[in-house]
Amino acid sequence: AQKVTQAQTEISVVEKEDVTLDCVYETRDTTYYLFWYKQPPSGELVFLIRRNSFDEQNEISGRYSWNFQKSTSSFNFTITASQVVDSAVYFCALSGAYMEYGNKLVFGAGTILRVKS
Amino acid sequence: DAMVIQNPRYQVTQFGKPVTLSCSQTLNHNVMYWYQQKSSQAPKLLFHYYDKDFNNEADTPDNFQSRRPNTSFCFLDIRSPGLGDAAMYLCATSGRAGTGAFYGYTFGSGTRLTVV
Repeated sequence: AQKVTQAQTEISVVEKEDVTLDCVYETRDTTYYLFWYKQPPSGELVFLIRRNSFDEQNEISGRYSWNFQKSTSSFNFTITASQVVDSAVYFCALSGAYMEYGNKLVFGAGTILRVKS
Repeated sequence: DAMVIQNPRYQVTQFGKPVTLSCSQTLNHNVMYWYQQKSSQAPKLLFHYYDKDFNNEADTPDNFQSRRPNTSFCFLDIRSPGLGDAAMYLCATSGRAGTGAFYGYTFGSGTRLTVV
């Protein structure tokens, strides 16, 4: 069975601080995809990143960066110089390789990030 | 832009009165999903369609049904909404781009259902 654990229920930081959101996953599949989504108070899920299991390169996109380590089954997300607009719920999610045929996306419980000015 | 559209954005229904939520997509994706997200929880898959094949999650209540009349549209029917069905309902699609590259999931903006 697939499982995603986001141990941090809620994190509060002051603007401009760096913050890392942890994600640990479990799967027996050798090929899989990992995702991060942002959910602001309006409720829509905003796609941030998709990573396949064969690509362990870390990725940076502006103030966002992701660290994927298969050895520890982790896919952590760091926001550098956080801003108030980063306040949201962040979900890490996992899917098998053939999701176009209907594999479900398994979500972690989410981490609430509060950035205070 | 190609996208997944959910209507309405907000829906208020009476306890026990059937309600239908709609989802349409312009991506021509084979798979469409319905997720339920209750307050402070992660989205939970209710069911999905691969083309016309319906796949129900084992723990989805019988009160929830779905229809997919064509590739573009998918409906979520709640036959007798209870107070516990108040939630955000998210529609999503998945498929491959014309190049064969995996396209990933695309979510709609969701319908927030209130039961009174």
